[in-house]
Amino acid sequence: EAGVAQSPRYKIIEKRQSVAFWCNPISGHATLYWYQQILGQGPKLLIQFQNNGVVDDSQLPKDRFSAERLKGVDSTLKIQPAKLEDSAVYLCASSLVSSQRSYEQYFGPGTRLTVT
Amino acid sequence: AQSVTQLDSQVPVFEEAPVELRCNYSSSVSVYLFWYVQYPNQGLQLLLKYLSGSTLVESINGFEAEFNKSQTSFHLRKPSVHISDTAEYFCAVSPPGSARQLTFGSGTQLTVLP
Repeated sequence: EAGVAQSPRYKIIEKRQSVAFWCNPISGHATLYWYQQILGQGPKLLIQFQNNGVVDDSQLPKDRFSAERLKGVDSTLKIQPAKLEDSAVYLCASSLVSSQRSYEQYFGPGTRLTVT
Repeated sequence: AQSVTQLDSQVPVFEEAPVELRCNYSSSVSVYLFWYVQYPNQGLQLLLKYLSGSTLVESINGFEAEFNKSQTSFHLRKPSVHISDTAEYFCAVSPPGSARQLTFGSGTQLTVLP
């Protein structure tokens, strides 16, 4: 089966500009996650969707970050305006909803964002 | 809330030597435990998990981890490493429940030397 797809793989922008990342989860995976991984740290959850509804966005900086999953499949994460501290790898992951397999998250390759 | 500590940020080891990557967690509730591996230029992959049952869990490529509740640890071990094991390894925890959210440690870079 195809894995989690993300694009672009790399992005360089200047501070105060806007940027958007796209994620296509594994077919049939109802749960989708966006993580931020700053250099030298582990991934930190930003937002979790189940189908097209938000399960948890408590760690999403809502003044500048937004995310949507309109049809319960693809998702877009946007930053507007970007700050220097947003430089990180943005990871998308997906999982099944069934009780045991839902603990297995499948990660995409990530988008490396550099804000200058 | 949960937290995960990986004390060693970098672990160099010679090929065919044993290795242990340490992971300790803090939580006020029971947690499920995971090790993920990230090879260069690739996404995170689940290496092994502990949900319940035997406290010793194994992966298909020779790694094992043991859940120690009294020491709140989930150390990862391999008796003999290969060059291909060079990667970053992340320990993570998730509380039982419907959210299935992961809290990750800061990672350990394992470098296997020839």
